[in-house]
Amino acid sequence: DAKTTQPNSMESNEEEPVHLPCNHSTISGTDYIHWYRQLPSQGPEYVIHGLTSNVNNRMASLAIAEDRKSSTLILHRATLRDAAVYYCILSLSKTSYDKVIFGPGTSLSVIP
Amino acid sequence: DTGVSQDPRHKITKRGQNVTFRCDPISEHNRLYWYRQTLGQGPEFLTYFQNEAQLEKSRLLSDRFSAERPKGSFSTLEIQRTEQGDSAMYLCASSPRPSSILNYGYTFGSGTRLTVV
Repeated sequence: DAKTTQPNSMESNEEEPVHLPCNHSTISGTDYIHWYRQLPSQGPEYVIHGLTSNVNNRMASLAIAEDRKSSTLILHRATLRDAAVYYCILSLSKTSYDKVIFGPGTSLSVIP
Repeated sequence: DTGVSQDPRHKITKRGQNVTFRCDPISEHNRLYWYRQTLGQGPEFLTYFQNEAQLEKSRLLSDRFSAERPKGSFSTLEIQRTEQGDSAMYLCASSPRPSSILNYGYTFGSGTRLTVV
């Protein structure tokens, strides 16, 4: 399985943008890039996913490098409720999303 | 439908006892997954079902662990002869059929926290 590398922790000030990086140098052509986040005492929740192009949704934006060996999750204005562990994950092809393998993720702290 | 439900939320048991957890997925989701999470780590995959068929089991799932999904709806995870190392959060997730997964991803429950004393 292709692996991802993320910083263990990051800090952000409230109402400022946050850029959470992820390296996935061994990504294959059919791997999708997914982001989940886990708030304290809750299960992970889906944030966003992409293949090659940058993606936006109501929660965040995903910027994918041209060579696809790295990506960045962008929270445009961090709030205290965004304090969570963020996981960057690679899945198999679109029709083979059998299981998600989580790494340790990045623990994001938001400072008021 | 309010999402994925797990019961109980917390369980304290003595070493050597058997425990069973229940997961009720989102009703139209045909895939169901079990994960285990210890403090400071990401969730670890244990097993998953498509309808009632158990399609994959991790090597983490020792002989003391068994999971079922008898009618393709709710699932149970049983741990026999619990050990202190089994103390963890047990998470259940569900997802729709593959053609729809990427629109929604997985939906996780809030987990069952097991403490073995």
